[in-house]
Amino acid sequence: AQSVTQLDSHVSVSEGTPVLLRCNYSSSYSPSLFWYVQHPNKGLQLLLKYTSAATLVKGINGFEAEFKKSETSFHLTKPSAHMSDAAEYFCVVSGGAGGTSYGKLTFGQGTILTVHP
Amino acid sequence: GAGVSQSPRYKVAKRGQDVALRCDPISGHVSLFWYQQALGQGPEFLTYFQNEAQLDKSGLPSDRFFAERPEGSVSTLKIQRTQQEDSAVYLCASSSPGLAGRRIGTQYFGPGTRLTVL
Repeated sequence: AQSVTQLDSHVSVSEGTPVLLRCNYSSSYSPSLFWYVQHPNKGLQLLLKYTSAATLVKGINGFEAEFKKSETSFHLTKPSAHMSDAAEYFCVVSGGAGGTSYGKLTFGQGTILTVHP
Repeated sequence: GAGVSQSPRYKVAKRGQDVALRCDPISGHVSLFWYQQALGQGPEFLTYFQNEAQLDKSGLPSDRFFAERPEGSVSTLKIQRTQQEDSAVYLCASSSPGLAGRRIGTQYFGPGTRLTVL
């Protein structure tokens, strides 16, 4: 079985300050991990993904995430928040080889990011 | 098309009515997924198709839910005798298969169908 826990349901930052969205995962197999963003009334968009290559993953719009197996974490960061980053963010895990290899996604509960001017 | 499309975008149904939700995946994508996203929650897996074969329907909440993909392209999610608890956004995603023996392909999501059952 696999699961994801997003540690904060809401995060509020000021424009230009760093962003940290926390995620811990549980998986019986070597997982693939993703961060998706969902803007109001828009579809889910992939920010970045980890698939057992480099542990520091760079995504779109300046976001990055670091896979830490010892801590079972996959936190999302950005050095400087922009107003357009305000949205809901989902940490997602998918089974790897030996698990559900076709790609069934298990989502966290989501973190709503608010950016203040 | 350029992305995954879903129709209708919004659907209001009276309790007890049947509804059908359509998904057009990205052309050539073998894999198709349906997810249900209740208000304030993350999406939850419903079912998975590889071409026309439904390989996993473990997430369908009841036998009122039925999905098909008869020609391996367009998919329809049907809900019979809708109940208020069926109110949610229904998301469709498609992907191409990953490299053999390695990781799965990235899933691309449609905009969803917001179903409201009165």
